[in-house]
Amino acid sequence: GDQVEQSPSALSLHEGTDSALRCNFTTTMRSVQWFRQNSRGSLISLFYLASGTKENGRLKSAFDSKERRYSTLHIRDAQLEDSGTYFCAAEKNNAGAKLTFGGGTRLTVRP
Amino acid sequence: NSKVIQTPRYLVKGQGQKAKMRCIPEKGHPVVFWYQQNKNNEFKFLINFQNQEVLQQIDMTEKRFSAECPSNSPCSLEIQSSEAGDSALYLCASRDWGSSQNTLYFGAGTRLSVL
Repeated sequence: GDQVEQSPSALSLHEGTDSALRCNFTTTMRSVQWFRQNSRGSLISLFYLASGTKENGRLKSAFDSKERRYSTLHIRDAQLEDSGTYFCAAEKNNAGAKLTFGGGTRLTVRP
Repeated sequence: NSKVIQTPRYLVKGQGQKAKMRCIPEKGHPVVFWYQQNKNNEFKFLINFQNQEVLQQIDMTEKRFSAECPSNSPCSLEIQSSEAGDSALYLCASRDWGSSQNTLYFGAGTRLSVL
C-alpha cells in the first residue's frame, strides 16, 4: 500500500538550535498534516498543507507542490517544550480518505 | 486545539471481554475516523464515517470490531471479544468536509489494556 517514510526516527537537539524533519511519500499525495504527540498521547495538529508553505512561530512546514511526494517540518531555535514525537500524515484523495501516517520522529531538546 | 472528546481515557479488560469506547466529534464535523496506535507508535486506520455512513473499513474492523456514529449520539467503537493484541491507544478524529482546510482533529484517545 501507500507508504509514508519519515526521517529521522529520533533526534536530539540542544536548546536554541535548528533542525528539519522530512516525510517522503511513495505516491503523489493531495495533502499532508503534521502533528506533535505529547507524553500523554494527545496528538496536536501543527499544520495542514495542500500546497506551499506555512509558518507558525518557530515552526515552518513545506509541501512539495510540484511532485507532491515529500514534506518538511523545520524547527527554529528549539525549546525544551518542543520535545515530543512528531508525525506526518498524508492523504491521497478527498476529505473522507484515510490518512497514512509516518513512523514518527522522537525529538528530545536538551538544555 | 481539538474539541474531540473521547471516553474513557483508560480501559482495562480481560481476554474475551467486550471493550467499548466513545467519541464525540467536533461540532459540525461530518467525517469521523478511528485509528489504533500500537506501542511501536504505528498507526492503523480502522474505519471512517461520513455522518452515519461507513466510508471505509479494514478487514479486522469488519470481523471483530463494530463501530457506529448514530445521529445525535456519540460515535462508538466496540471490540466484541478482546485479545491481548488489541492493547493499544485508540484515537478518534473528526474533520470538516469540503472546506479548503481539512485539518483532522484528534481526541486524547482511549488507552486499552487487555490482560
